[in-house]
Amino acid sequence: DAGITQSPRHKVTETGTPVTLRCHQTENHRYMYWYRQDPGHGLRLIHYSYGVKDTDKGEVSDGYSVSRSKTEDFLLTLESATSSQTSVYFCAVGEGTATEAFFGQGTRLTVV
Amino acid sequence: GESVGLHLPTLSVQEGDNSIINCAYSNSASDYFIWYKQESGKGPQFIIDIRSNMDKRQGQRVTVLLNKTVKHLSLQIAATQPGDSAVYFCAEDYHSGGSNYKLTFGKGTLLTVNP
Repeated sequence: DAGITQSPRHKVTETGTPVTLRCHQTENHRYMYWYRQDPGHGLRLIHYSYGVKDTDKGEVSDGYSVSRSKTEDFLLTLESATSSQTSVYFCAVGEGTATEAFFGQGTRLTVV
Repeated sequence: GESVGLHLPTLSVQEGDNSIINCAYSNSASDYFIWYKQESGKGPQFIIDIRSNMDKRQGQRVTVLLNKTVKHLSLQIAATQPGDSAVYFCAEDYHSGGSNYKLTFGKGTLLTVNP
């Protein structure tokens, strides 16, 4: 699992509440990514980080923010959760530039 | 999890046959391509990769072919086994500006191996 821990693994929350998902890695990879996975859409990139305090948007960044204050942690925040954000969220880590990425086990988020 | 395979292109093969999974990528500037396998309830796992200056790369029972002219990638699995049943994703890694690389995925193909 390349030392990746996602927390929580499952969460149910109400519409309009803030939610933060955490990705923790132990192997000092430079890049960290957040993806969401929905039926029929595959994996879509939300945000990614290429270093501490260095982040950029992916394909579906609206409604999400991220922070990376330490190499090992990458936080994904839904400021005000909506039902359309019900999904499985995957964190991945890697070195970017032509190297493989390693994925966590995923977080299943349900917004009711 | 188990819902990942819904609404995806599907490929059904007999055990022992060869499988070919195709992928069209979007960015001609991508310089690295990867195939991932995702089993039910798990995160994607690396299978094989190829750089843009190559046309073919072989691994154990798997071969990746890259056709840059038509922006097409394929994964060939030899002697497909029941354990190969999964969703397969292609991914491309491209230079998004500065020194940053963005890793994006295709929609995936569900491979089912019949005994």
